[in-house]
Amino acid sequence: AQRVTQPEKLLSVFKGAPVELKCNYSYSGSPELFWYVQYSRQRLQLLLRHISRESIKGFTADLNKGETSFHLKKPFAQEEDSAMYYCALFTGGGNKLTFGTGTQLKVEL
Amino acid sequence: KAGVTQTPRYLIKTRGQQVTLSCSPISGHRSVSWYQQTPGQGLQFLFEYFSETQRNKGNFPGRFSGRQFSNSRSEMNVSTLELGDSALYLCASSLEGDASYNEQFFGPGTRLTVL
Repeated sequence: AQRVTQPEKLLSVFKGAPVELKCNYSYSGSPELFWYVQYSRQRLQLLLRHISRESIKGFTADLNKGETSFHLKKPFAQEEDSAMYYCALFTGGGNKLTFGTGTQLKVEL
Repeated sequence: KAGVTQTPRYLIKTRGQQVTLSCSPISGHRSVSWYQQTPGQGLQFLFEYFSETQRNKGNFPGRFSGRQFSNSRSEMNVSTLELGDSALYLCASSLEGDASYNEQFFGPGTRLTVL
């Protein structure tokens, strides 16, 4: 069965420091990976997807099939990046997503 | 365009009761998915409806059911409520097709508390 693991419940960094939110997945086929973000008192929203290979708000994520990882990175953290981040896996058919348990990112001044 | 709306936003029920939650997708969206969000388990997929048919189902007991109407609005029902059903229930809508191509837009959720 597919599974997504986000090992850190809370990640605290200083403003301007690099950020890396870890995500590992378990799936034997060809996965599609997403990062969703939930800012305080806002709805869950898509941040980026690996097939787009784009940078959103300075964040990037590369799918590493060998290590079954899809870590989210940003070179310089900003205060507005503070939020809950969820990694999600799609394995085909419809819109069923398997989410990790999320990592709370706190950017301190 | 108006976003996904969910009603009610808050609900308090007692054990053994049943509850119905409603979700109105973004206009033109035909897929509606439901997720349960709890602090311990995170987001867990319940089911997805597309064109009034259940297209996907998660690993939840039969007490959890849903349906979709011809206008794409969806309802989910939980019967014989248990304390463990206390959670935030999120609805997400998307266009035709699957998650490979279409972004899912989430609603604000319905906070269900079972006493």
